[in-house]
Amino acid sequence: EAGVTQSPTHLIKTRGQQATLRCSPISGHTSVYWYQQALGLGLQFLLWYDEGEERNRGNFPPRFSGRQFPNYSSELNVNALELEDSALYLCASSLDSGFTYGYTFGSGTRLTVV
Amino acid sequence: QKEVEQNSGPLSVPEGAIASLNCTYSDRGSQSFFWYRQYSGKSPELIMFIYSNGDKEDGRFTAQLNKASQYVSLLIRDSQPSDSATYLCAHGGGSQGNLIFGKGTKLSVKP
Repeated sequence: EAGVTQSPTHLIKTRGQQATLRCSPISGHTSVYWYQQALGLGLQFLLWYDEGEERNRGNFPPRFSGRQFPNYSSELNVNALELEDSALYLCASSLDSGFTYGYTFGSGTRLTVV
Repeated sequence: QKEVEQNSGPLSVPEGAIASLNCTYSDRGSQSFFWYRQYSGKSPELIMFIYSNGDKEDGRFTAQLNKASQYVSLLIRDSQPSDSATYLCAHGGGSQGNLIFGKGTKLSVKP
């Protein structure tokens, strides 16, 4: 069974540009979650999508947005990039909102803003 | 937002010892609890989950849950250098909807 896949693995952008990160969940999982992990820090919750709808959003500015497609894959868009957006962005997927079996994480996208 | 508190560490234990990692949470509605292991530069990996009060054992790992005290712990017996990682506690089923993660405890197992 394929796990959660994220692309690209690494992304280098210039301040002010836009970044698009992509995630494909495990087959059968309908929920997708996005987290930001800055170097040496904990997981910061960004967004939760389920059945194509945004279910919850973390404390991030509106320039962080995303969507979920009919095949349950998802993309995260970060507009007007700032230096402090440099981080590992993790996508996770789950059944039943993760309450029973938790989340399965992808390998992440390392975003560097220069 | 409901909080999950973990000692950031680092927690240092000698090889072969028992490592004890602790977590407290504030949402009394939480129903499920998870421990993830994250190696440096890698993504978190689920190692244990527990729903009921008491102990749950899986190999060298034991998760302990006390809902009355809002406390969950992870014991690692016969610690190995390969156990050196950051351990994240998470809970779900509460008012937030999604899982809530702690900031993690960094464990170092010295040979």
